[in-house]
Amino acid sequence: QQQVKQSPQSLIVQKGGISIINCAYENTAFDYFPWYQQFPGKGPALLIAIRPDVSEKKEGRFTISFNKSAKQFSLHIMDSQPGDSATYFCAASMKTGANNLFFGTGTRLTVIP
Amino acid sequence: EPEVTQTPSHQVTQMGQEVILRCVPISNHLYFYWYRQILGQKVEFLVSFYNNEISEKSEIFDDQFSVERPDGSNFTLKIRSTKLEDSAMYFCASKSRPYNEQFFGPGTRLTVL
Repeated sequence: QQQVKQSPQSLIVQKGGISIINCAYENTAFDYFPWYQQFPGKGPALLIAIRPDVSEKKEGRFTISFNKSAKQFSLHIMDSQPGDSATYFCAASMKTGANNLFFGTGTRLTVIP
Repeated sequence: EPEVTQTPSHQVTQMGQEVILRCVPISNHLYFYWYRQILGQKVEFLVSFYNNEISEKSEIFDDQFSVERPDGSNFTLKIRSTKLEDSAMYFCASKSRPYNEQFFGPGTRLTVL
């Protein structure tokens, strides 16, 4: 119930292409869905987040699409750049309790020039 | 920009030894977390701490683990008797309010031999 499933495990995209990473969840009590970016040897850093009252959120080249009925959300990276090469984690948390994050398994993105 | 700091960056210890991992959360933050990430796996929640007490803990956080906020700035994770399977990256995170972003530190790599 607390699981967040993430796919694909790894992704290779050409520079300028669109990177798409998908996540799905079961627990309907989740109400906050962030995406974190992690570079080797660093901690996760918040990239963009969404709450279930909207279906899409865009910040620069990064867009979250959210489908409440399907319990799925995805990250789209437009015009992918080599500097975007990192591991991306989706996560979810509940409004109640300690709001701790439940992370997906991560996607290693490689953007080739 | 304020950030979460963690020390040491890498800790090597013998099995059965006690270790203390230290974190300095962002100064006006009130909610504190420890997560861990076994190499190549997802980030997993360990414990949350608010108002000088544990607010939530996961199954991983057994009697061998403890947390403390010994003064106004530090937040520590103690592992009483380390096991080989405790080898992981340990991340501290903090946030200012219940529904705000969690900021992660750079992590401490714990290696248990």
